[in-house]
Amino acid sequence: KQEVTQIPAALSVPEGENLVLNCSFTDSAIYNLQWFRQDPGKGLTSLLLIQSSQREQTSGRLNASLDKSSGRSTLYIAASQPGDSATYLCAVQTGANNLFFGTGTRLTVIP
Amino acid sequence: NAGVMQNPRHLVRRRGQEARLRCSPMKGHSHVYWYRQLPEEGLKFMVYLQKENIIDESGMPKERFSAEFPKEGPSILRIQQVVRGDSAAYFCASSPWSPGSSTDTQYFGPGTRLTVL
Repeated sequence: KQEVTQIPAALSVPEGENLVLNCSFTDSAIYNLQWFRQDPGKGLTSLLLIQSSQREQTSGRLNASLDKSSGRSTLYIAASQPGDSATYLCAVQTGANNLFFGTGTRLTVIP
Repeated sequence: NAGVMQNPRHLVRRRGQEARLRCSPMKGHSHVYWYRQLPEEGLKFMVYLQKENIIDESGMPKERFSAEFPKEGPSILRIQQVVRGDSAAYFCASSPWSPGSSTDTQYFGPGTRLTVL
C-alpha cells in the first residue's frame, strides 16, 4: 500500500531564505507526483506536477524534483516571502484512480 | 471558467441527521473525485465517479456513505446518520481526462467543512 511521508511537519524561516521541503513514498510505481498548497480553511492549489518520466519541474521561484527509484521528491522555494506561508502537500498518483497524500509541511515565513 | 464549486462551505449537523455535500466540477470535466481530510490527517481518497457511474469507491466507508454523479447536476456525497467521527473537511476534485493520461491534473474545490455536534 502506498504511503507518503513529508518532513518536516512544520517549518519557520525568515523572509528571503531558500528552503527545501521533503516528500517520500513507499511504492515507486507512480504515474506522477504533485505538490499542492493549502491555505487555512481553503482548498488545494496545484503548484507543480511531475510525470514519472520527468526529473524536475520549475515554476517561478518553485522547483520540484523527483527521484522515482528512491521514492523521493523535494520542493525548493527560493527567496521565501510571507505570502508563501501555507501548508504544502505532496501527492502521488498510482495506477489506481486516486491521489495518495502526505500529511503536509506547515510553512511559516517570518517578515 | 469557474473552478470546482462546492456547497455548502460549512455544514453543521447533529448526530443521526443526514449530510448532503454538493460538488460542481469545472466546465467540461466529467470525472469527479471525493476526498476526506480528518483533523490533523492527510487527505484520503473516498470515491471516483464519472457521469452516472461509480468507477472506484474503495475509499468509501461501507455503511452510511454514498455518492452519485447524475447526468445533470452536481455530484452529491451523502452521509446518513452522521456521527462525531464524520467531522472533517470533504474535498471534491475534477479532471477532464482518464487517470494515467498525459495531463490528468485534478482541480480541487474549496471543500465543505462538516461539523457533527
